[in-house]
Amino acid sequence: KQEVTQIPAALSVPEGENLVLNCSFTDSAIYNLQWFRQDPGKGLTSLLLIQSSQREQTSGRLNASLDKSSGRSTLYIAASQPGDSATYLCAVLTGGFKTIFGAGTRLFVKA
Amino acid sequence: GAGVSQTPSNKVTEKGKYVELRCDPISGHTALYWYRQSLGQGPEFLIYFQGTGAADDSGLPNDRFFAVRPEGSVSTLKIQRTERGDSAVYLCASSLDSGRLFFGPGTRLTVL
Repeated sequence: KQEVTQIPAALSVPEGENLVLNCSFTDSAIYNLQWFRQDPGKGLTSLLLIQSSQREQTSGRLNASLDKSSGRSTLYIAASQPGDSATYLCAVLTGGFKTIFGAGTRLFVKA
Repeated sequence: GAGVSQTPSNKVTEKGKYVELRCDPISGHTALYWYRQSLGQGPEFLIYFQGTGAADDSGLPNDRFFAVRPEGSVSTLKIQRTERGDSAVYLCASSLDSGRLFFGPGTRLTVL
């Protein structure tokens, strides 16, 4: 059974700091991995999608990497801003087209 | 519409009542998913539709939960004999080819 774990559960950093969020999954047989952002009381917004054959994806200040063999992904956020404060969720698409989510990392960027 | 919409945004009901939650996906998206999210947790998979058929309903917790998508577009999640443990945010998502998921804002269900 696929399980997705995110570390840390919560993180508080000063504005301008670069940071890394971690995601691990137990079954390497995935089709893709997505990172989402969720603001309080809102739905999820897809930030980056990495196909199983890819190693990384970049969008603006965000860079996500994927090491499928070790079951790990990282989300790197450069020059963090208070507007980046949100919960970040990692999710993997498994066989059967079921996307399994981690519990998320709550990020707070202090001005 | 431009995105996935869900109605109602909030639903308060009494234990034992029947509720319906509606999802309107992005036009042209053949894949539709229902998830349930409890406070402090990631979304939990409930059911996946490809077109009109439920391709995977293994996440439905019991037979009180049922979902339909009769014309391959709008979907309705139906919960019979609601229980307090059903209280959660119910999220709907759609995608074009099981790739990037686009989520709606969710329906917050409270069972008193």
